Amino acid sequence: KAGVTQTPRYLIKTRGQQVTLSCSPISGHRSVSWYQQTPGQGLQFLFEYFSETQRNKGNFPGRFSGRQFSNSRSEMNVSTLELGDSALYLCASSFGTGNTEAFFGQGTRLTVV
Amino acid sequence: AQSVTQLGSHVSVSEGALVLLRCNYSSSVPPYLFWYVQYPNQGLQLLLKYTTGATLVKGINGFEAEFKKSETSFHLTKPSAHMSDAAEYFCAVSDVTSGTYKYIFGTGTRLKVLA
Repeated sequence: KAGVTQTPRYLIKTRGQQVTLSCSPISGHRSVSWYQQTPGQGLQFLFEYFSETQRNKGNFPGRFSGRQFSNSRSEMNVSTLELGDSALYLCASSFGTGNTEAFFGQGTRLTVV
Repeated sequence: AQSVTQLGSHVSVSEGALVLLRCNYSSSVPPYLFWYVQYPNQGLQLLLKYTTGATLVKGINGFEAEFKKSETSFHLTKPSAHMSDAAEYFCAVSDVTSGTYKYIFGTGTRLKVLA
């Protein structure tokens, strides 16, 4: 079956702009989580959505937001981009119930210049 | 609060040698533990997971890990390293009993395999 699809794979933005990243989970999965990966901070949890509701949120400023649609696809948005937002953004999908693991997409590499 | 500590940010082994990547966790509730591997410019791929039951967990590509509650450890091993094992490995803990499905990752261990 198809895996987790993230688009776009690469993105270059200018400071102050905003960006929207997309994630299509595995069919049947209702939970989508987002992570930021940087060399300095490692993998950090941004937020998780389950059935269109944000179920948990990490310690990121309000410039980072997300949403989930009825078909479980998710988007995350970063407004007023800063240089420090340059990172690999990973999306993970899971059933979201029971002891099931998360499956990760290949990520979106965001570069802010 | 849950946390994960991976000892050694870089590990080098010779091809054919034993691979041992260390992970210790801290959790106030029975943890769910995972090992993921990341190849350059790729996402994370699940190697294996521990939820409940047998403490020795077998994963893909010949990897296995043993859950030791008394030592709060979940070390990853492979009897014989292959060049294709060179990658970064992440240990993660998840407290799904609270219904959050949030993973806490270790800082990663980059494995280098020497010919």
